Amino acid sequence: DAGVIQSPRHEVTEMGQEVTLRCKPISGHNSLFWYRQTMMRGLELLIYFNNNVPIDDSGMPEDRFSAKMPNASFSTLKIQPSEPRDSAVYFCASSSLRLAGGPSSYEQYFGPGTRLTVT
Amino acid sequence: TQLLEQSPQFLSIQEGENLTVYCNSSSVFSSLQWYRQEPGEGPVLLVTVVTGGEVKKLKRLTFQFGDARKDSSLHITAAQPGDTGLYLCAGGPSSSNTGKLIFGQGTTLQVKP
Repeated sequence: DAGVIQSPRHEVTEMGQEVTLRCKPISGHNSLFWYRQTMMRGLELLIYFNNNVPIDDSGMPEDRFSAKMPNASFSTLKIQPSEPRDSAVYFCASSSLRLAGGPSSYEQYFGPGTRLTVT
Repeated sequence: TQLLEQSPQFLSIQEGENLTVYCNSSSVFSSLQWYRQEPGEGPVLLVTVVTGGEVKKLKRLTFQFGDARKDSSLHITAAQPGDTGLYLCAGGPSSSNTGKLIFGQGTTLQVKP
């Protein structure tokens, strides 16, 4: 089975440019998470979706960040305009979760990440 | 706000030594996972523990969930250079059912040959 797929793997852009990161979750998983990882702050949850609906976006740092999940097999994280402090590795993770009743699985499976450098 | 504190933050040891990494919280978790992350890659799930007092073994790695489900430990026996990486614990909050995981800040392990 293919794992979580992210593209691009590396992105170098200039300050002010728009950046779009892409993610394809594991087939059959109904939750998708976007994280940002830096040396200073570690792994931070930005936003997550359940059944393509955004559930919690409290981690999105600013209005410059937006995320969409138009269908169960694709999500994007967009930064517009980008700034040097956005430089980080961005991870997408997916899991299979039931929100209503019964035990829930919290195990998440991560993609390889996108290393973003904003100059 | 639920937090997971990992200790130590950094660990550098010689091949063959044993080590233990701790993950502590004042909150109860419904489950706890351990991940390992190697440079340039995403975290990879190692194990999930769900029952207080549960012990799971994965080759030379032993994972334990505290009786009160507030803490966990990871013990590595006879560490090898291939064990080098960032170890992250992550808890599923018992107070909500959102799917969100609370991650510790990680323990960076270096095993020297």
